[in-house]
Amino acid sequence: AQSVSQHNHHVILSEAASLELGCNYSYGGTVNLFWYVQYPGQHLQLLLKYFSGDPLVKGIKGFEAEFIKSKFSFNLRKPSVQWSDTAEYFCAVNEGNAGKSTFGDGTTLTVKP
Amino acid sequence: GAVVSQHPSRVICKSGTSVKIECRSLDFQATTMFWYRQFPKKSLMLMATSNEGSKATYEQGVEKDKFLINHASLTLSTLTVTSAHPEDSSFYICSARDLVGGETQYFGPGTRLLVL
Repeated sequence: AQSVSQHNHHVILSEAASLELGCNYSYGGTVNLFWYVQYPGQHLQLLLKYFSGDPLVKGIKGFEAEFIKSKFSFNLRKPSVQWSDTAEYFCAVNEGNAGKSTFGDGTTLTVKP
Repeated sequence: GAVVSQHPSRVICKSGTSVKIECRSLDFQATTMFWYRQFPKKSLMLMATSNEGSKATYEQGVEKDKFLINHASLTLSTLTVTSAHPEDSSFYICSARDLVGGETQYFGPGTRLLVL
């Protein structure tokens, strides 16, 4: 069965620090990859997604993620975080046309002003 | 952007009663909707995949007779928690897949269920 691992459970950063959140998955076939964000009191929103093409994808709010097929990874990055980036971040993997997604356990990001 | 709504946003019920939660895609048609359960400080657990006009596909360990799913139209799926018990208290989230957007899921705001 598909599994998704997010290694960082809670990350605490100061404003302007760089961010990298890890995401690894286990499925060996064709995958679609997603990062979602859940701000406090709000519902899940799509940050970015990868289906094919350029493995470096750019999303909203300055986030980007790189798909490295050989490492089964899809790490999320942002060069300079802001206090407003404080949220829960979820990595999700969709096995091609299977339709359903498997989510990682999430990473709580706290950005100190 | 694509919007998904859920109703009610929160509900409190007595043990033994049934509760219906609605999930609607407001500005797009969704042939597939998903129902998740989110525990505090935990990830989303997929309960079932709801396909318009056909039976839902339940994940292993999810009781289909307890969590009834109906996807009667391209914009509405309902989850009914039957004979609810306190252990069913949770945050239930639906998502709808926009095929035009290609496999992207759009999430509803969730429904907080508390069973007394």
